[in-house]
Amino acid sequence: DAKTTQPNSMESNEEEPVHLPCNHSTISGTDYIHWYRQLPSQGPEYVIHGLTSNVNNRMASLAIAEDRKSSTLILHRATLRDAAVYYCILREDNQGGKLIFGQGTELSVKP
Amino acid sequence: DTGVSQDPRHKITKRGQNVTFRCDPISEHNRLYWYRQTLGQGPEFLTYFQNEAQLEKSRLLSDRFSAERPKGSFSTLEIQRTEQGDSAMYLCASSPRGGLTSPLHFGNGTRLTVT
Repeated sequence: DAKTTQPNSMESNEEEPVHLPCNHSTISGTDYIHWYRQLPSQGPEYVIHGLTSNVNNRMASLAIAEDRKSSTLILHRATLRDAAVYYCILREDNQGGKLIFGQGTELSVKP
Repeated sequence: DTGVSQDPRHKITKRGQNVTFRCDPISEHNRLYWYRQTLGQGPEFLTYFQNEAQLEKSRLLSDRFSAERPKGSFSTLEIQRTEQGDSAMYLCASSPRGGLTSPLHFGNGTRLTVT
């Protein structure tokens, strides 16, 4: 079972920042936090991952709480193409590297 | 890097028929994963391979389902005696290696409809 909790849906305005929250209170010290997104009619797409420190890449930033029990995916300027379901996933050492998806957050972006 | 390719994109079959899907992973990716996704739900893990070895199967994978990865390259997923409950999107993903940091690269799936 997925071990993360996310809001079912969020709305954003185009060109504004978006903060997508994720709770993972049962995270263990070796679990990585991964984010994927799924655009309509496509397979999931890797966004970013982190362990303890905040991470930035060309797609997004990942802010990880000091106690690691929560994290936030930050899209700095939402575009219409960012409308998707965003999945926060704990990648665990004892799971063979596979991803266990939850329900995710459906992000809609208004022009 | 041409991405993960899945064939066919859509399949409509009658209940009781057998179907087979194919997945071509990114070249030299050792890991290959199969997932199933129904409408409004996140993808559910089915099975994965390290090269040609099938290392794990979910209990979702009933005995009507079988997956192979001969020679550690492409993979096939076969469903025998299909049921209406098998209607779903079947997703394939590959990664260059195992571990907790190597991203999975997904294909765009095969949508199965069982009538």
